[in-house]
Amino acid sequence: DIQMTQSPSSVSSSVGDRVTITCRASQDISSWLAWYQQKPGKAPKLLIYAASSLQTGVPSRFSGGGSGTDFTLTISSLQPEDFATYYCQQANNFPLTFGGGTKVEIK
Amino acid sequence: QVQLVESGGGVVQPGGSLRLSCAASGFTFRNYGMHWVRQAPGKGLEWVAFIRYDGSNKYYGDSVKGRFTISRDNSKNTLYLQMSSLRPEDTAVYYCAKDGGATDYRIDYWGQGTLVTVSS
Repeated sequence: DIQMTQSPSSVSSSVGDRVTITCRASQDISSWLAWYQQKPGKAPKLLIYAASSLQTGVPSRFSGGGSGTDFTLTISSLQPEDFATYYCQQANNFPLTFGGGTKVEIK
Repeated sequence: QVQLVESGGGVVQPGGSLRLSCAASGFTFRNYGMHWVRQAPGKGLEWVAFIRYDGSNKYYGDSVKGRFTISRDNSKNTLYLQMSSLRPEDTAVYYCAKDGGATDYRIDYWGQGTLVTVSS
């Protein structure tokens, strides 16, 4: 199985900050990586797919990068509604696997 | 708009069985693969199972293989998850989710989830 490791597990930031979350796969997954945002008590929401493609309706302050085993999710200017938990997911092989999550908290 | 509505969750004793359903609308259900994903209280996301658009192939996570069965009825636009030999560690919110990829297995829509509690 492909293991997905996210870092950091939590980050405290202020509105307007640039935030970068990393995700590492235990083997090459090409660009088959997705990022999700989850707010408390709600279902996850797809933000980025194929490592860098923005899902329809997602603000352009979100961007994704990387390929192979190392990936990033960047929020260019953190907004109040962005405080949430973010998960990466390898979308290449079964069983599909998620990273452990990164909680973005208000400083 | 895409809607996925899960039902069938509840409290069940260890070793028991439960069947979850997911009613889909707002898209052509028979054209898309579907997933179940779960989330234990206070924990991260765990992928559970996937079924192809026509039911021809099914895949399972290691922790549920042999105990859970995913199925679908395209005439009823409904996805199912039959869970048996349930364990306390199966306690979670179970999400029905639509596969979004023509080229990969991203999940583009999620239901609101249904809570399954395994406890005596």
